[in-house]
Amino acid sequence: DVVMTQSPLSLPVTLGQPASISCRSSQSLVHSDGNTYLYWFQQRPGQSPRRPIYKVSNRDSGVPDRFSGSGSGTDFTLKISRVEAEDVGVYYCMQGTHWLYTFGQGTKLEIK
Amino acid sequence: QVQLQESGPGLVKPSGTLSLTCAVSGGSISSRNWWAWVRQPPGKGLEWIGEIYHSGSINYNPSLKSRVTISVDKSKNQFSLKVNSVTAADTAVYYCASSSMDVWGQGTTVTVSS
Repeated sequence: DVVMTQSPLSLPVTLGQPASISCRSSQSLVHSDGNTYLYWFQQRPGQSPRRPIYKVSNRDSGVPDRFSGSGSGTDFTLKISRVEAEDVGVYYCMQGTHWLYTFGQGTKLEIK
Repeated sequence: QVQLQESGPGLVKPSGTLSLTCAVSGGSISSRNWWAWVRQPPGKGLEWIGEIYHSGSINYNPSLKSRVTISVDKSKNQFSLKVNSVTAADTAVYYCASSSMDVWGQGTTVTVSS
C-alpha cells in the first residue's frame, strides 16, 4: 500500500497568519493516464470531510482562494494564506492513484 | 447537486452483520463512475472500505475483503455496505462518498456491542 505521511500532525496558527501542511507519498502518484490523484480534505469538528483541493492544485467550487495546493510526484503541500477561525479542523491528504487508496494521518489545525 | 444519506442500525452485536445503505438524491446513481464507503473509528483517521463502479466492478480493502460486500441498486438509486462477523474494531462512523470524493454523506455511527 502507498503510505501517505503528513507533517506536522499538530499546527497551531495565529489568526491571519499562513499555514502549510506537507504530504509525502511512498511512491509516485502520477497515474498511467497522466493525472496525479492527490486530494486534500478538511474535516471540521463533528462534520463530514469536505474536499477543498483535487488533483494536487484544483480548488473546488466555493472554496476561498486563500487555500492552495501544490506539488508533484511524491511531495505535496496545502497552504492557507491567511488562517481564519472557520479553518479549524483536521486536514487529510489522500491518494487515489494506486488501489488501495490511502489517507494521511491527519493534521490538526488550531488557533493559537 | 448530488446528495448522499447513509442509513442503518446504530448498534450491532458482536459476530453479527453491519448493514448500511446510502441513498443518492439530486441525480442518478449512474451519473458518477463509482461510489465509495469510508469509515472513521472514534478519534482516529479515515480508512477506505471499498468502491463500486456502476459497471459492477468492485474494489475492496484487502484487510476487510473477506467480510465486506458492496452492492448497487439502480432501481432505488442507492448503494449498500455489509460487513460480516463484526467486532468492536468495526465501531466507527461510516461515510458514503461519490467518485473523486467531492460529495460525502453526513456519516452514520455504528457501535458494535452486546
